Amino acid sequence: VQLVESGGGLVKPGGSLRLSCAASGFTFSDHYMSWIRQAPGKGLEWVSYISSSGTTIYYADSLKGRFTISRDNAKNSVYLQMNSLRAEDTAVYYCVRGGGPMFDPWGRGTLVTVSS
Amino acid sequence: EIVLTQSPDTLSLSPGERATLSCRASQSVSSSYLAWYQQKPGQAPRLLIYGASSRTTGIPDRFSGSGSGTDFTLTISRLEPEDFAVYYCQQYDGSPITFGQGTRLEIK
Repeated sequence: VQLVESGGGLVKPGGSLRLSCAASGFTFSDHYMSWIRQAPGKGLEWVSYISSSGTTIYYADSLKGRFTISRDNAKNSVYLQMNSLRAEDTAVYYCVRGGGPMFDPWGRGTLVTVSS
Repeated sequence: EIVLTQSPDTLSLSPGERATLSCRASQSVSSSYLAWYQQKPGQAPRLLIYGASSRTTGIPDRFSGSGSGTDFTLTISRLEPEDFAVYYCQQYDGSPITFGQGTRLEIK
């Protein structure tokens, strides 16, 4: 089972980024998927999850309206579109299998830095 | 929002000793929805325990979870050098999903 994130980088405040996560080694379409982030030196913060079919989506309240999660089961991929980025969105973003009772496994993460 | 408070923030112990990490919830959490994770420096977290007391595949039996309601515990019976890391609890019973702030387990 492997999850590989991509798309992170340096972006200016107010900018946008789209993170991708490629999954392999399991039946992707059977599983909820989530994004969880970790600011430098800080703890873990759940961002969003999407159901196996994509019909059920939840976001952390603090992110509503700025972030959009989506998935393409044909490509075994999940995405996070991040708009109106702020300095406080700077973090490592992890792609994780699962929707809440447990998160397993985790990708290695992709760093998003929001700075002018 | 269910707030998870872990204690202590830092625990200093020696290899071979027993570690007891606490996770207290601001309101009752179903045992089915309490998990524990281990994170080593520069690595992603990994799942240790789910459903409050079930070890995931490949986790040594020196790790055990217990508790119910608002009080949960992760116990490491005899610390190995590779166990020194940060540990997080996480709940799914209430929206949003939340994590504790973490307990750093360091070598004494």
